[in-house]
Amino acid sequence: EAAVTQSPRNKVAVTGGKVTLSCNQTNNHNNMYWYRQDTGHGLRLIHYSYGAGSTEKGDIPDGYKASRPSQENFSLILELATPSQTSVYFCASENWGNYAEQFFGPGTRLTVL
Amino acid sequence: QQKVQQSPESLIVPEGAMTSLNCTFSDSASQYFAWYRQHSGKAPKALMSIFSNGEKEEGRFTIHLNKASLHFSLHIRDSQPSDSALYLCAVSLPNNYAQGLTFGLGTRVSVFP
Repeated sequence: EAAVTQSPRNKVAVTGGKVTLSCNQTNNHNNMYWYRQDTGHGLRLIHYSYGAGSTEKGDIPDGYKASRPSQENFSLILELATPSQTSVYFCASENWGNYAEQFFGPGTRLTVL
Repeated sequence: QQKVQQSPESLIVPEGAMTSLNCTFSDSASQYFAWYRQHSGKAPKALMSIFSNGEKEEGRFTIHLNKASLHFSLHIRDSQPSDSALYLCAVSLPNNYAQGLTFGLGTRVSVFP
């Protein structure tokens, strides 16, 4: 089964601080995604990537940047964290080809105070 | 933008009963339809997917798709307490699967012994 890991698993940040969430996958999948999950809003797509060096905006990119330095790693960066970014963040990977199953990491719970 | 809605919001079913979940979507050009299951505190995990109108069965799980009605459903036969979870339906953006999925808010299912 595809393996996707995220770090840290829990993070408390201060308003205005910089936060970097990391994601690693070991299955050589091309596509990677960052979602956030909030009660009342469900899972929402923030950024995604087709491969090393590419990043694309999802449905709610404001306040977030993404970086894909290699096939395996995809980071989500909050340059100036705000309390509204308190959420659970999930990374997912997906193989290239026909519509394919997304494999999710275990999630990072971020609290911005 | 694609809208995906699920019903009911929550469901309590006795062990051994049939569980039926519904999902509607707004764009008839959507091409990929999937159900994910998320146990409490865990990552979403793909259950089943379907591309064309009709029915698909895998074990105790059956998915139905009717594109004309903008509706698909998941049926769980012989429900077990281990089926208690949040069920998320997901739909692809039309014409470009690699832009991530649009998820519904979920149906929380509780199966009691």
